[in-house]
Amino acid sequence: AQKITQTQPGMFVQEKEAVTLDCTYDTSDPSYGLFWYKQPSSGEMIFLIYQGSYDQQNATEGRYSLNFQKARKSANLVISASQLGDSAMYFCETRDTGNQFYFGTGTSLTVIP
Amino acid sequence: DVKVTQSSRYLVKRTGEKVFLECVQDMDHENMFWYRQDPGLGLRLIYFSYDVKMKEKGDIPEGYSVSREKKERFSLILESASTNQTSMYLCASSTNPNEQFFGPGTRLTVL
Repeated sequence: AQKITQTQPGMFVQEKEAVTLDCTYDTSDPSYGLFWYKQPSSGEMIFLIYQGSYDQQNATEGRYSLNFQKARKSANLVISASQLGDSAMYFCETRDTGNQFYFGTGTSLTVIP
Repeated sequence: DVKVTQSSRYLVKRTGEKVFLECVQDMDHENMFWYRQDPGLGLRLIYFSYDVKMKEKGDIPEGYSVSREKKERFSLILESASTNQTSMYLCASSTNPNEQFFGPGTRLTVL
């Protein structure tokens, strides 16, 4: 079974600063994908970024980047230059070759002006 | 743009009622999912479907059933609603092995 852990229930960051949201996972499958989603107060989940387990480079999408450390089984999301609109819940998801997928419990990020 | 729509944003039902939550996607995705989201518990998978008329149990299927008669539509059914089914319900669709696209959610209250 695959487990996924987000240890930070709540985080605060000053506007324009960078913030790292932690995600660790536990899998025995050599091939898997890692996803991050954002959920604003409106409720809709929005896909942010994807990392494949065999990808050599860390994924980046605009201000989002994924600090992928395969040996440590961590896939932390880094948001650079935080904006007020980044305040939301953030969820990490993993998916393996058997198409089993698991979500973490989420981290609530608050950006302070 | 991928569009996943859910029939209601807010729903209030009474204990014992049969409840239908409808989800429709317009991108011809094979996979569709139903989750419930509760504070501190994240998203928990109720049921998913990889094809028409096909369904698989997720982590918490008890008290729920699903129907997928057409590729674009995936329905979640609460046969006899109970107060512990008060929750936010999220529908999603995807193509393998890509990201999921979520609907806006239905906040269900069972009185």
